[in-house]
This record gives sequence, C-alpha cells and structure tokens, in this order.
Amino acid sequence: EDQVTQSPEALRLQEGESSSLNCSYTVSGLRGLFWYRQDPGKGPEFLFTLYSAGEEKEKERLKATLTKKESFLHITAPKPEDSATYLCAVPSGNTPLVFGKGTRLSVIA
Amino acid sequence: DAGVIQSPRHEVTEMGQEVTLRCKPISGHNSLFWYRQTMMRGLELLIYFNNNVPIDDSGMPEDRFSAKMPNASFSTLKIQPSEPRDSAVYFCASSLGTSGQHRGETQYFGPGTRLLVL
Repeated sequence: EDQVTQSPEALRLQEGESSSLNCSYTVSGLRGLFWYRQDPGKGPEFLFTLYSAGEEKEKERLKATLTKKESFLHITAPKPEDSATYLCAVPSGNTPLVFGKGTRLSVIA
Repeated sequence: DAGVIQSPRHEVTEMGQEVTLRCKPISGHNSLFWYRQTMMRGLELLIYFNNNVPIDDSGMPEDRFSAKMPNASFSTLKIQPSEPRDSAVYFCASSLGTSGQHRGETQYFGPGTRLLVL
C-alpha cells in the first residue's frame, strides 16, 4: 500500500504565483518527514526534516509544515530556478526512508 | 567536503553483460543505501548497510543483483546478467547512521549512475 502520496503530480506556475505541494503519509509513529529537491540529471538534495505536528521550517521561498497526517511545502513568489521535482519521504517500519513519487514543479517567467 | 561519489555516471551495455556500479559514501557516515529510480516506480530502496554490514536487502529485485561493502569507504552494486528492464538511474546515499530506530535520519545522495541495457 502507498505510505507516501504526493499531489499534484505536476504543477505549472507563473513566476510570483504562490502555491503549495502536498505530501500525505499513512505510517504510524512518525519518526520524521523529509523533503528533498531533485533537479534533472542529479540526485535528490535535502531540504528539510520535520519531526512534530505543528513544526515549520523555512528556506528562502520555501516553507514546510507538518500535521498528523500530511505535510505541505509552500512556495512563495516562486522563481524559474525553483523548477524541480520535490520529493517527500518518511521512515516506515524497518525501511529508513520511503519516498513519494514527487511533484514536478515548473515555474514560468 | 566531498559528497557521495558514484561511478560511472553513465553506462550503456548489452543484455547479458555484467554491470558494476561503484559508490564512495561521505567520510564518517556509517550507513549506505542503494536506490533505483524509474518514472513508473519512483525511488525504490534496494539494499542498505550499516557499519559495512547488509541490514535489509528485501528490495533487491532478483538474484541477478548483488551488493557488497568491503570497507567503510566503498560499495558496489553488481547486476549479472543485465536485462533491458534494469535500465534506470541508480543512486547511492549515505547517512550518519547513529539515530537507531527512534528517529529518521537525513540521507545524502550521490549524482547517480544512468544505466541503459540494450
């Protein structure tokens, strides 16, 4: 069964048009939720870890939030260089990280 | 500091040939992970090591796949014989490996090896 579901699969924004990406998880006893950014032809790059519901973390135009069943990655006034695939992941059972399929973000100038 | 290093970056081979992918983790990291990424299935964990010992290889698709970690600074993933359906991007990642089971740990990824089996 899917333990991590990301939506939408793809998102196209105009430069400056703020939006949010969603990551829903079904694991119990959350031991952290991880956000990564992946550029074409490169490996995933770590962005944030959230451990508790209500926790928030920010980096430039990105802010990640966490509830008991989902996380949001808010992108404020995005720029073309924010275009990438954003992946979320959670530890599940004996698996250190289970990844979602990602959201492909395109920001058009 | 150097990140995770993988080689080769690209590999094109013919069906039936042996393929060996190599990885050097970040110095001081005790855990090493091998992943495969495809459009259909996303990023899947194949196997991971802690202190050079394989912990979970349940993600290895078939006996054709094998992985070793002879020392703390080197690991290989071997496919023998290779098949067209093995075509994918293979990533190696490493983490400190000190959190145990109570807390998830950040993994740092290499640039990947893009494998094409003809």
